Amino acid sequence: ETGVTQSPTHLIKTRGQQVTLRCSSQSGHNTVSWYQQALGQGPQFIFQYYREEENGRGNFPPRFSGLQFPNYSSELNVNALELDDSALYLCASSLAISGGFNEQFFGPGTRLTVL
Amino acid sequence: AQTVTQSQPEMSVQEAETVTLSCTYDTSESDYYLFWYKQPPSRQMILVIRQEAYKQQNATENRFSVNFQKAAKSFSLKISDSQLGDAAMYFCAYSRGNNRLAFGKGNQVVVIP
Repeated sequence: ETGVTQSPTHLIKTRGQQVTLRCSSQSGHNTVSWYQQALGQGPQFIFQYYREEENGRGNFPPRFSGLQFPNYSSELNVNALELDDSALYLCASSLAISGGFNEQFFGPGTRLTVL
Repeated sequence: AQTVTQSQPEMSVQEAETVTLSCTYDTSESDYYLFWYKQPPSRQMILVIRQEAYKQQNATENRFSVNFQKAAKSFSLKISDSQLGDAAMYFCAYSRGNNRLAFGKGNQVVVIP
């Protein structure tokens, strides 16, 4: 069973640029959630995708967008990068079933630095 | 919005001793889930233990146990017989069952040999 993987591991961009981060979910999982973890902080929920549709969003501006593909892998896109976007971006996958909480399995994250 | 508060940014514990991490949360929901996650230097979040709010019995997982006080909205983690591999950031998290987690700021646990 393959775990959650993310690419790239590290990324450096300049202010105003656009970036795409990728996540491959664990085999059999149909839900992907993205979190932003600034230095010294806990992760903040960005949004979640379930069966290729956005299924909830945190307090992030529209320049943060995402996609989920038929194989349930996912992308996080950030436009017009700002210095405050520098953070560790975590992806978590789960198998959504009715009722209850479904354990989320996290990837190792992508460290984004915006200069 | 739910908030999760962790004080004591860094806790030190001697190997084989016990350490307790504190967490409080704010919610108006009656059904929800609470978690402790471990984040080692490798950055990958690992679920340590979970507690369903409707269960009165405190969860335990080997050397890890929680003290869940629903009325006080308190959820502490006890690590017994601390090992060097327990050194990491520990995050308290809340979810109301929609698979979205709200995290606290974390506690750094340092294990002294």
